[in-house]
Amino acid sequence: AQTVTQSQPEMSVQEAETVTLSCTYDTSENNYYLFWYKQPPSRQMILVIRQEAYKQQNATENRFSVNFQKAAKSFSLKISDSQLGDTAMYFCAFMKHAYEGTSGSRLTFGEGTQLTVNP
Amino acid sequence: DTEVTQTPKHLVMGMTNKKSLKCEQHMGHRAMYWYKQKAKKPPELMFVYSYEKLSINESVPSRFSPECPNSSLLNLHLHALQPEDSALYLCASSQGLAGGSTDTQYFGPGTRLTVL
Repeated sequence: AQTVTQSQPEMSVQEAETVTLSCTYDTSENNYYLFWYKQPPSRQMILVIRQEAYKQQNATENRFSVNFQKAAKSFSLKISDSQLGDTAMYFCAFMKHAYEGTSGSRLTFGEGTQLTVNP
Repeated sequence: DTEVTQTPKHLVMGMTNKKSLKCEQHMGHRAMYWYKQKAKKPPELMFVYSYEKLSINESVPSRFSPECPNSSLLNLHLHALQPEDSALYLCASSQGLAGGSTDTQYFGPGTRLTVL
């Protein structure tokens, strides 16, 4: 079984600054995917970024980037130039590679980090 | 387009009522999911449909009954719910699992359910 740990229940950052959210995971799988989802007060779960474990290059999406350390099983999210709209709950999630013939992919979520961006 | 729609946005029901939640996607995805989410907690998987067949049921009580009429639609029928079933119900979809490709899940906005 996989576990995902987010050790920071709450964080805050000033607008325009940079913040890093931590995530560690435990798995015996070699092929898997990692995700960061954000859930603003509207409660819509929005995909922020995705990382394939077989890729050494860290994923980036505009102001969002990850630091993926496979050996350490660490997957942190860096938000640059924080904006008020980044205020949300951020969930780190793990999914193992799905092979042909299997059915349904499971996401294992961490407990979340509530990020508040202050003006 | 990564849109998943859910109706209604809000639902209030009594413990003896029967109601349904609806989820729709037009991305050609072949896997669809129901999650339950309590406040300040991560979503909990309830059901997975893969190619219109129920593939995962996470031991959900029978008062929740999923249905997948076609590849674009997913329903969750509710009957004789308890107050503790009050939660946000999220639907998600993903491409499906042909050839072992990555299977990113895209979520709908959710239905906020209150059981009185």
